[in-house]
Amino acid sequence: NAGVTQTPKFQVLKTGQSMTLQCAQDMNHEYMSWYRQDPGMGLRLIHYSVGAGITDQGEVPNGYNVSRSTTEDFPLRLLSAAPSQTSVYFCASSSLLTGGFHEQFFGPGTRLTVL
Amino acid sequence: SQQGEEDPQALSIQEGENATMNCSYKTSINNLQWYRQNSGRGLVHLILIRSNEREKHSGRLRVTLDTSKKSSSLLITASRAADTASYFCATDAGKLVFGKGMKLTVNP
Repeated sequence: NAGVTQTPKFQVLKTGQSMTLQCAQDMNHEYMSWYRQDPGMGLRLIHYSVGAGITDQGEVPNGYNVSRSTTEDFPLRLLSAAPSQTSVYFCASSSLLTGGFHEQFFGPGTRLTVL
Repeated sequence: SQQGEEDPQALSIQEGENATMNCSYKTSINNLQWYRQNSGRGLVHLILIRSNEREKHSGRLRVTLDTSKKSSSLLITASRAADTASYFCATDAGKLVFGKGMKLTVNP
């Protein structure tokens, strides 16, 4: 099993450009999520999904879109990149337990710089 | 916000010593999880403790949970240089929310 994969590993964008960060998992997990990690801020939840066709907003959703057409894939779209979106982005997945979340499996991250 | 807050924010110890990290949170939770992040890598799950559990062990890790005080502690015994990393607690109250993390340095 590859686990959780993310592409690209690094990306540089200019302000106003759009792009999609890819995330895929091969563990048949229902739950997938996107976080951004900034120095001193920890991980902040952007969007999450509890299954194909179902998505919801996290703490910092503005400027980002997601969709979940399959169980395996959960792409994150930046609509019009801004310097404030410079960050490291992590995708995670897990199975869902009754009454709570199971351990999260994280991808290796995408380091995004917006100029 | 229910975000967990780790304490201390940074800890430096010698190899062989024990390291204790604390996490406080604000709302009722389903479970609390601890993760480790090595520099430049994704997070790795260490241990999960449910709200009806008080203590859990995994190898050199010991986690306690006090729901009345809304706090948890992670103890790493007989630390090794390889334990040098950032550690995060994550609270589950409908969404999984991570704290800001704490940096542990274990000196050889």
